[in-house]
Amino acid sequence: EADIYQTPRYLVIGTGKKITLECSQTMGHDKMYWYQQDPGMELHLIHYSYGVNSTEKGDLSSESTVSRIRTEHFPLTLESARPSHTSQYLCASSPDSYGYTFGSGTRLTVV
Amino acid sequence: DQQVKQNSPSLSVQEGRISILNCDYTNSMFDYFLWYKKYPAEGPTFLISISSIKDKNEDGRFTVFLNKSAKHLSLHIVPSQPGDSAVYFCAASAHTGGFKTIFGAGTRLFVKA
Repeated sequence: EADIYQTPRYLVIGTGKKITLECSQTMGHDKMYWYQQDPGMELHLIHYSYGVNSTEKGDLSSESTVSRIRTEHFPLTLESARPSHTSQYLCASSPDSYGYTFGSGTRLTVV
Repeated sequence: DQQVKQNSPSLSVQEGRISILNCDYTNSMFDYFLWYKKYPAEGPTFLISISSIKDKNEDGRFTVFLNKSAKHLSLHIVPSQPGDSAVYFCAASAHTGGFKTIFGAGTRLFVKA
């Protein structure tokens, strides 16, 4: 079944730790995105990719980095987590500019 | 600068009645609009969309209306059911290449039994 998967679903981690949030999709979509969402706020685009070896920063400045070595895989890395990084991170993919499929999200808490 | 605005953070409706969720946008380049539904601890799921060449699109209990002159769209749910209780995000995009979809802040809908 075609889908998009995010791991872990929940993560509590100490300040200063390096973390990688995983995102994989089985639909063969070229476009993939990372959004950050705080409760009651908009989904803010922090990174996107239109294909392998193509990554761009989104509208919201983020200290995270991403890579796109394979079409199906779009991991997000925080080199040194801080409490201000506490948020929900949503990964999405699409075959075009419109039809997004979202993963279940990773809720990150940095203590 | 919020390009997509959902001014009502929450809405409470009785089961069986109509739910109307509103969304305003500022960018006249937007030509495609979508509504997503999000349950707690899950990612948003696509609900219904409308192209700017239409003013109405209907799918079962869900209807989206687009008023281009007012830069306003609305989602109608009739009849509302308790399972519809969720956060609804309005989103807008443009056909031109490289344009990302912009999401509103969402409206939390409570449908009371």
